[in-house]
Amino acid sequence: SQQGEEDPQALSIQEGENATMNCSYKTSINNLQWYRQNSGRGLVHLILIRSNEREKHSGRLRVTLDTSKKSSSLLITASRAADTASYFCATDNLGSQGNLIFGKGTKLSVKP
Amino acid sequence: GAGVSQTPSNKVTEKGKYVELRCDPISGHTALYWYRQSLGQGPEFLIYFQGTGAADDSGLPNDRFFAVRPEGSVSTLKIQRTERGDSAVYLCASSLRGGRQGTNEQFFGPGTRLTVL
Repeated sequence: SQQGEEDPQALSIQEGENATMNCSYKTSINNLQWYRQNSGRGLVHLILIRSNEREKHSGRLRVTLDTSKKSSSLLITASRAADTASYFCATDNLGSQGNLIFGKGTKLSVKP
Repeated sequence: GAGVSQTPSNKVTEKGKYVELRCDPISGHTALYWYRQSLGQGPEFLIYFQGTGAADDSGLPNDRFFAVRPEGSVSTLKIQRTERGDSAVYLCASSLRGGRQGTNEQFFGPGTRLTVL
C-alpha cells in the first residue's frame, strides 16, 4: 500500500527556477527519505531526514519535515534540465523492519 | 565500487509461465529488499531479507511469489504461474544494516521490467 501523497503530481518549470515538491504521510516515522528516478528505472537516494530533525540541506536540495503535520517538502534551487525526473518521498515507519513506504511521486520537468 | 545489479533487465513471458529475477546487492550489505513498481506508481514493498532469512514477507501479494537468499548475498525472486497483472518493474535494494538498525539508506538496482503477455 502507498503511504501518502506527493503534491503536485506533475511540475513543469524553466531552468534556473526553484522547484518545490510536497509529501504527506500517515503514520509515525523513524525517518523520511527522498529519491529520484529517471525513466522509470533505478532510484537514486537524495537525502534522509530523521524524525527529530526539521530541516536538512545537501547542495541545491533543501528538505523540511513537520512531524506534527506529517508532511515534508523538497526544494531544488536553481534547477537544471538534468533535474528532470520523478521524485519520491519514502518513509521508514516506526515498528517496521526498515522497508520503505513510497508515495506516488512528482514528475518534474525542467525546460532549458 | 559496484552498485546493486539486477538480471535480466527485461523479461517477457507468457501467462502461466515461471520466472526468476536475480539481484546482486552491494558487497557487505546485510539487508536486501524487493519492491514492485507499476506504471505511474511508487515502488511497493514485497519482501525484506536480513542475511539469509526473510525477516518480513508481508508485502508478497500471494503464494505465487517466493524469494530466497541462500548465502546471504544474491537473491532470487520467483514468480509461479505468472499473470498479466504481475507485469511491472521489480526493484531490488540493499542497505548496510537494515531493520531497526542505522538509518537504512537503501541503494537501488536498475530493476527488471517484467512483461506477462
